[in-house]
Amino acid sequence: KQEVTQIPAALSVPEGENLVLNCSFTDSAIYNLQWFRQDPGKGLTSLLLIQSSQREQTSGRLNASLDKSSGRSTLYIAASQPGDSATYLCAVSDASGGSYIPTFGRGTSLIVHP
Amino acid sequence: DTEVTQTPKHLVMGMTNKKSLKCEQHMGHRAMYWYKQKAKKPPELMFVYSYEKLSINESVPSRFSPECPNSSLLNLHLHALQPEDSALYLCASSQETVYNEQFFGPGTRLTVL
Repeated sequence: KQEVTQIPAALSVPEGENLVLNCSFTDSAIYNLQWFRQDPGKGLTSLLLIQSSQREQTSGRLNASLDKSSGRSTLYIAASQPGDSATYLCAVSDASGGSYIPTFGRGTSLIVHP
Repeated sequence: DTEVTQTPKHLVMGMTNKKSLKCEQHMGHRAMYWYKQKAKKPPELMFVYSYEKLSINESVPSRFSPECPNSSLLNLHLHALQPEDSALYLCASSQETVYNEQFFGPGTRLTVL
């Protein structure tokens, strides 16, 4: 069964820092990996989707990479801002056994202070 | 339109009440999902509809009853809930269930008294 781990669980940084959030998964037979942002009490906002054949995706100050063989993805946030404060979740769609439903990590809670 | 809408935003109900949650999307997506999320936990999948047919039920108690009347609409009917069912209920949709990018609604905050 797929297991997804996110490190660190929480992060507090001053504004302007470049950040790396980590996501690891145990079964490399994946369809894709998706990064989400969630503000307290709100729904999830899709940030980036990386298909299993891709190595990275970029959107603005965000860059996500995928290394399937080592079971890892990183989300890089450049020049962090207080508005980036939120919980960041990664979700892996698993191809093994015909399953395609995302398995979520527990998230990284990010605080960017002015 | 890349939006998934959910109503109501908040719902308070007693254990003997019957209520429904509603989810709507107009992106032409053929897969729709219900998730339950407790505080500081990741979303837990409850149900998946694919082409308006229930394809996955993750062993959810029968007091939760999903319904997909058409390809744009998803309901979750609630009856005889327990206080431990209090949570944020999230709806999501995707083009197909495979190779899916999921889009989530804002959620319904449910409190069961």
